[in-house]
Amino acid sequence: DQQVKQNSPSLSVQEGRISILNCDYTNSMFDYFLWYKKYPAEGPTFLISISSIKDKNEDGRFTVFLNKSAKHLSLHIVPSQPGDSAVYFCAASGYGGGTSYGKLTFGQGTILTVHP
Amino acid sequence: EAGVTQFPSHSVIEKGQTVTLRCDPISGHDNLYWYRRVMGKEIKFLLHFVKESKQDESGMPNNRFLAERTGGTYSTLKVQPAELEDSGVYFCASSQVRGGNSPLHFGNGTRLTVT
Repeated sequence: DQQVKQNSPSLSVQEGRISILNCDYTNSMFDYFLWYKKYPAEGPTFLISISSIKDKNEDGRFTVFLNKSAKHLSLHIVPSQPGDSAVYFCAASGYGGGTSYGKLTFGQGTILTVHP
Repeated sequence: EAGVTQFPSHSVIEKGQTVTLRCDPISGHDNLYWYRRVMGKEIKFLLHFVKESKQDESGMPNNRFLAERTGGTYSTLKVQPAELEDSGVYFCASSQVRGGNSPLHFGNGTRLTVT
């Protein structure tokens, strides 16, 4: 039972264009969503996050959109650069008490390749 | 500030052997997590320490896995005896504050191969 899903295993984009990575979740108790970026042989590094009380968060070239009714979020990278080529993981966590607080549930990841 | 460090970076062992993975979190981070990624799939939660206490170990696969964090500093994850399906990349992460708005800082992982 996978609660966070990234249905696109890979995405290829031309440099300068927009990259859109998608993520769906099933657990309505998730209250915070994060994107992590991972290069080969390295650990995931935090990229950007969004709280469920918002529908958009922007940080430079990166914007995350959240559609709570559809249980869907997306990461937009504009403009895409070759250095953005990596695996991108969507993750979710739940607020409140209980053991789920602070624990992340990840998707399978999407391999982004940005061609020069 | 030093990041999360993990040792070894890679371990190859035979089925039935024992392996111990080590994680040194960022200094001052009370929260320490272990995750695992198997065969390019999702990164799965194993357990969570707050200082030296196990807060949540719901993701531990079975009793062949033992995690400790004596003194609330570094942590070890022992697999004994190892099975083929234990192969994967084991990530450790830490955070100062427990909560969704406190991103986890990950180490580079230990790639475990069980043959």
